[in-house]
Parts: sequence; structure tokens; C-alpha cells
Amino acid sequence: AQKITQTQPGMFVQEKEAVTLDCTYDTSDPSYGLFWYKQPSSGEMIFLIYQGSYDQQNATEGRYSLNFQKARKSANLVISASQLGDSAMYFCAMREGAANSKLTFGKGITLSVRP
Amino acid sequence: EAGVTQFPSHSVIEKGQTVTLRCDPISGHDNLYWYRRVMGKEIKFLLHFVKESKQDESGMPNNRFLAERTGGTYSTLKVQPAELEDSGVYFCASSQGRDGIYEQYFGPGTRLTVT
Repeated sequence: AQKITQTQPGMFVQEKEAVTLDCTYDTSDPSYGLFWYKQPSSGEMIFLIYQGSYDQQNATEGRYSLNFQKARKSANLVISASQLGDSAMYFCAMREGAANSKLTFGKGITLSVRP
Repeated sequence: EAGVTQFPSHSVIEKGQTVTLRCDPISGHDNLYWYRRVMGKEIKFLLHFVKESKQDESGMPNNRFLAERTGGTYSTLKVQPAELEDSGVYFCASSQGRDGIYEQYFGPGTRLTVT
């Protein structure tokens, strides 16, 4: 079974609007962490936001927030006030168990911001 | 602070040849990870070092791949002999705990093409 599922096809959003990128996960480990990374066309992977399984509040980092619904096993990324520079591929990832353990990635979602 | 660096950025080799990829993690980061993304597929974990020790090498595809991290600083990933299916982008990441979170910082990747 897929541990991280990102099923949306390419996403489009108008500049200055908000967009939600979906991510569902599957784990039986009570201790896990969820990450979102951005990969622009230049290829580097940029860390955006982290949510721990025991965190009570949804994580926020500037224009990024994570809509964490534990019972549904979803960890959607919300980008507010989209900018042209947000156009990129976005990856959801999970680590299970130890805090320094490996990441398992989803297939990624391509986001295009329209002017 | 310098980020994770990888060398070379691109490598084109023929099937049967040997290639060595290098990763320099962020200074002071004990954890070093190798991942790769084969065209059109998810980013897959290869292995994880803690200092100079292999913590998890469950993702190494076969014995043609050899990773080392002598002295717990930089790491090398050697592919010998290379096969066509080894083509892809090889990412290195490093992490060090901060408030219990081990966010992984990625390098720009090495694009390997085996012809």
C-alpha cells in the first residue's frame, strides 16, 4: 500500500489566491512526522513545513499552513496569497518512528500560478 | 552557513562504467541520507548514515551500489558497474535535531545518465 498518496493532477491557481495541495498518508506507527518540500524547476528540494503526529496545533510557516486531520490521515498544504514564484512541484513526505529516520515521499503535485 | 553540496551536478556514463557521487552535508550534521528519483517515479530512500555508521541501508537496490562516509563528514556513493536503470537524480540530504525535529536539508542533486 502507498504510504504517501498525492493524487491531484497538475494544479492551477490565480496569483494572490489560496490553494490547497492534498496529501494522505498511511502508517500504523503512533510517532510520525509529515513534511512538505518544494522543488522548483532548478531542481533543489526546499523544506517548507513540518507537522508532528503529537502536535496539537496545525503547523504554520509564513504563507504555508498544514491542515492536519489525524483521524482522516491527511496533511494538506495550504498556500495563501499565491505568488508566481510558487510555481513548482510539491512533495509530501513522512518519517515513521525515530525522529531522524528516512523519509517516504509521495509522487508530487505540480502547481502553476497564473498571473 | 553553506548548504548541502553535491558533485558532480551531471554525469553521463556508459553502461558498465563506474561513477562516484559525492555529498558534503551541512557542517555539524550527523545524519546524512541518500535518495534517488528515477524518471517519473517517487523519490526513493537509499540509505542513512549517522556519523560514519550506516544506520539504515534498506533502500540500496543491489550490491552494485556502495556508500561510504569516512570520518563522518562527506559521503560518496559509487555505482559499479552502472546499468541503464540506474539513471535518475541522486539527492543527498543532511539533518541535525532541533527541538526534536530533524528536518532534512537537501542538496541540488546529481543527474546521472547511463547510456
